Amino acid sequence: KQEVTQIPAALSVPEGENLVLNCSFTDSAIYNLQWFRQDPGKGLTSLLLIQSSQREQTSGRLNASLDKSSGRSTLYIAASQPGDSATYLCAVEAAGNKLTFGGGTRVLVKP
Amino acid sequence: GAVVSQHPSWVICKSGTSVKIECRSLDFQATTMFWYRQFPKQSLMLMATSNEGSKATYEQGVEKDKFLINHASLTLSTLTVTSAHPEDSSFYICSARDAMATGELFFGEGSRLTVL
Repeated sequence: KQEVTQIPAALSVPEGENLVLNCSFTDSAIYNLQWFRQDPGKGLTSLLLIQSSQREQTSGRLNASLDKSSGRSTLYIAASQPGDSATYLCAVEAAGNKLTFGGGTRVLVKP
Repeated sequence: GAVVSQHPSWVICKSGTSVKIECRSLDFQATTMFWYRQFPKQSLMLMATSNEGSKATYEQGVEKDKFLINHASLTLSTLTVTSAHPEDSSFYICSARDAMATGELFFGEGSRLTVL
């Protein structure tokens, strides 16, 4: 059974610092890995999708890497802003189109 | 990006009543939609996979008679919580994938159910 773990569970940084969020998964037989952002009481916004054959994806200040063999992904957010405060979730997709989510990392960027 | 709409965004009902939540893909067709449940400060747990024109596939431990799912068209799936009880209070989120594309799943804004 696939298990996804996110460390740390919570993170507080001053504005301008770079954020590093970690995600690990136990079964490397995945189709893709996706990073999401969730604001309180809201749904999920897709940030980056990395296919299993890819090593990284970039979008603006966001960069996500994937090391499938070691079961790890890292989301980097450069030059953090207070608006980046949210919960970040990673999820892996395996056979059957099913996503398995990590527990999330709650990020607070202090002005 | 693709848009998935959920309605209602929040609902309060009395114990014993049934509540229907709609999930619509607004600008794409979705042969498969997914329903998740999220408790406060916890991650999303997949409840069931909704397949257009066929029966939903439920995850282990999810009562199919309690959580009725109907996927009548390529743009609409509904989740009905039957005879709701306070323990059914939760945040329900749906997601869908564009049938013509691969990869990203798009999520609705979620529906908060409170059962009194």
